[in-house]
Amino acid sequence: AQSVTQPDIHITVSEGASLELRCNYSYGATPYLFWYVQSPGQGLQLLLKYFSGDTLVQGIKGFEAEFKRSQSSFNLRKPSVHWSDAAEYFCAVGGGSNYKLTFGKGTLLTVNP
Amino acid sequence: GAVVSQHPSRVICKSGTSVKIECRSLDFQATTMFWYRQFPKQSLMLMATSNEGSKATYEQGVEKDKFLINHASLTLSTLTVTSAHPEDSSFYICSGSGLANNEQFFGPGTRLTVL
Repeated sequence: AQSVTQPDIHITVSEGASLELRCNYSYGATPYLFWYVQSPGQGLQLLLKYFSGDTLVQGIKGFEAEFKRSQSSFNLRKPSVHWSDAAEYFCAVGGGSNYKLTFGKGTLLTVNP
Repeated sequence: GAVVSQHPSRVICKSGTSVKIECRSLDFQATTMFWYRQFPKQSLMLMATSNEGSKATYEQGVEKDKFLINHASLTLSTLTVTSAHPEDSSFYICSGSGLANNEQFFGPGTRLTVL
């Protein structure tokens, strides 16, 4: 069975500081991996995705993530956080004939001025 | 491209009534649609997967007679919450897939409040 672990429930950073959100997955084959962001009361916005190829993936809003097969990880990074990045972040893994997605429990990001 | 809409965005209903939520793929054909629910401050949980013209496949613990899913066309799926109760209050999100890599594209969600 596929699963996703986001170890950090809540992270607080100062504006301008760097950010890394952790994601570990369990999947039997090469996974499809995603990071989504959700603002309160809103739907999901895709930040970036990994299907194959270059393990360092660039996304929108200055985010990037690196797929590390040996560590079963897909951590999300941003070099300098903006106050507007405050939101909930979800990592997801997909696969199988229906490509069902399994989501992590999410990490809430708070940005201090 | 790959836009999914949901209607309504918010709905409030009385306990015991039924509520229908529509999910539409606006610019692609969604051969598969997925329905999720999200409780406050929690993650998305997959409820069911539906393929166009077939019966939906429900996840363990999801009552298929309570959450009726219809995927009658390649651009429309509906979720009907029958005999809604306050515990059904939640954020319901749909997604559609049918493009490269079977990537899912998410709708904006529907907030259901059952009084």
